Amino acid sequence: GAGVSQSPSNKVTEKGKDVELRCDPISGHTALYWYRQSLGQGLEFLIYFQGNSAPDKSGLPSDRFSAERTGGSVSTLTIQRTQQEDSAVYLCASRQQGGLPLNTEAFFGQGTRLTVV
Amino acid sequence: DAKTTQPTSMDCAEGRAANLPCNHSTISGNEYVYWYRQIHSQGPQYIIHGLKNNETNEMASLIITEDRKSSTLILPHATLRDTAVYYCIVRGFTGTASKLTFGTGTRLQVTL
Repeated sequence: GAGVSQSPSNKVTEKGKDVELRCDPISGHTALYWYRQSLGQGLEFLIYFQGNSAPDKSGLPSDRFSAERTGGSVSTLTIQRTQQEDSAVYLCASRQQGGLPLNTEAFFGQGTRLTVV
Repeated sequence: DAKTTQPTSMDCAEGRAANLPCNHSTISGNEYVYWYRQIHSQGPQYIIHGLKNNETNEMASLIITEDRKSSTLILPHATLRDTAVYYCIVRGFTGTASKLTFGTGTRLQVTL
């Protein structure tokens, strides 16, 4: 596609339910990032996939959060037993990995707004 | 952890140049300076990046000091649509050094 696509754009869920958020990166981009942004706050790094390397999960806030990237393309962020503090906009970005950084800026999707009620 | 320091907020009159500073005193030799901005309710948008030379594109100019410990993003003729949070990031381009770490950014308000 022309850009990073995230779905759904909005998700309202009940506390305790599991949710899955999807990210379709730009074709050919091997690096993929997940961030979350709470209302009025900055971007909080969650996880980073880089080609076939083990992902950098250092930003995941708890073991309720997990992410996978199948086939080096689509990524799914899963939040189990959602809590109200999980309410935020979840942003995905992709980037062409390797080579000179001249063409390696990250492109962001428009995010999924998650509301836990 | 973020390796940059930016003012929390700035104001700029429409049509004037907006100069946004960033301190990155611990930048290493293989790290680039990147600028992104986030307009309300949108995902961050890439603006420009540089290593040591000044850079210019259709959106902005980036001035990096000779010691590379600080830089300034210049929007030459700010418009109301430039109102956004501007993030300065330092980043390598291999392995985990290429992870993007956002700080709190500078909230630029462009006014009439």
